[in-house]
Amino acid sequence: GNSVTQMEGPVTLSEEAFLTINCTYTATGYPSLFWYVQYPGEGLQLLLKATKADDKGSNKGFEATYRKETTSFHLEKGSVQVSDSAVYFCALRSNFNKFYFGSGTKLNVKP
Amino acid sequence: DGGITQSPKYLFRKEGQNVTLSCEQNLNHDAMYWYRQDPGQGLRLIYYSQIVNDFQKGDIAEGYSVSREKKESFPLTVTSAQKNPTAFYLCASSRDSGSGTDTQYFGPGTRLTVL
Repeated sequence: GNSVTQMEGPVTLSEEAFLTINCTYTATGYPSLFWYVQYPGEGLQLLLKATKADDKGSNKGFEATYRKETTSFHLEKGSVQVSDSAVYFCALRSNFNKFYFGSGTKLNVKP
Repeated sequence: DGGITQSPKYLFRKEGQNVTLSCEQNLNHDAMYWYRQDPGQGLRLIYYSQIVNDFQKGDIAEGYSVSREKKESFPLTVTSAQKNPTAFYLCASSRDSGSGTDTQYFGPGTRLTVL
């Protein structure tokens, strides 16, 4: 079956620190992979995506590389800001247009 | 601007009452979804529809019902049979082009509280 596993939070960092949020997946076929961000009281916003192995998605300083050999899609950012504080969700899209989400990782960035 | 709208943003309901949450999209997407999110948790799929007049149950469909009479609209009814309906409800849509690259876009959500 299909599933996504994310590291548990919360993750607390100081401003300008390096961020990694781990995400691994189980899937049949060739899924597309996504990172979404959710700010308090809002819906999810697409952060970045990758549609095939070795693709790198990037946006607003965040990056993630689709690693088929390790079934991973870890989110990274070189220097976080207070405004990056949010909940981050890893997700995959199966061959049947069904989406599977991880449980979310809360990021707190302190000034 | 293209997007997904959900209304109302906050909804209060007495126990035993049915309530309908609205979801409208002007993205010309074929597929639409309803998720439930509980505090500190991920998303759970309630129902989804890949085409007008057709929909499928997700992982937690009991106590909920939907309709898809128009491509743009996918309302969700929370019935009195839903034992614990207080939650944040998110509607989403995607193109379903069959290419395998479609992205899911989300509305701003409706927070339902049962009094």
